[in-house]
Amino acid sequence: QKEVEQDPGPLSVPEGAIVSLNCTYSNSAFQYFMWYRQYSRKGPELLMYTYSSGNKEDGRFTAQVDKSSKYISLFIRDSQPSDSATYLCAMEGGGSNYKLTFGKGTLLTVNP
Amino acid sequence: DSGVTQTPKHLITATGQRVTLRCSPRSGDLSVYWYQQSLDQGLQFLIQYYNGEERAKGNILERFSAQQFPDLHSELNLSSLELGDSALYFCASSGGAGHLGETQYFGPGTRLLVL
Repeated sequence: QKEVEQDPGPLSVPEGAIVSLNCTYSNSAFQYFMWYRQYSRKGPELLMYTYSSGNKEDGRFTAQVDKSSKYISLFIRDSQPSDSATYLCAMEGGGSNYKLTFGKGTLLTVNP
Repeated sequence: DSGVTQTPKHLITATGQRVTLRCSPRSGDLSVYWYQQSLDQGLQFLIQYYNGEERAKGNILERFSAQQFPDLHSELNLSSLELGDSALYFCASSGGAGHLGETQYFGPGTRLLVL
């Protein structure tokens, strides 16, 4: 079983839709949970990060972490065509202090 | 623009060859990380350097090596290249030693194609 599982999609939604992206993980030592956005032919950029369980909101983006279920989510409200990208979840913690473990990414397309 | 620069952007080479990828971190950042991104494996951590010293190792093959120079730029050397080494190679940097929660800033990547 991979440490981090993420549905690769692709996911296609109309503009204005609410998007839900998810990852599950197996390593209970993970403490920091991040979402990166990667546009085509670009490097990943940090979108949000959360420490431990709970919710974090930043504009149209909400990150949720449920450590008891080993499940994290990213919600995008009022999605825009400019949100079209690959979204990667990433985690770190425990014995992997210096190592980010990434999901494979979900390709999202928001259609105007 | 993250402030991390990588050269070259694209590289095409043949099996058995050796290539060097270069990374310049953001101004003031002391840590450099190397990642490999392929369709089947996703983004995988290879190695981290902090202020010139190797700090952490991930899934880096013995044919690959890296170093960080006194001016903090880093090079990733890939030798005896195989078809399966074709991938995107990203460099990232962070301000400190890579402690928990420290943000990593990614460069635009080098696309390597081994024929």
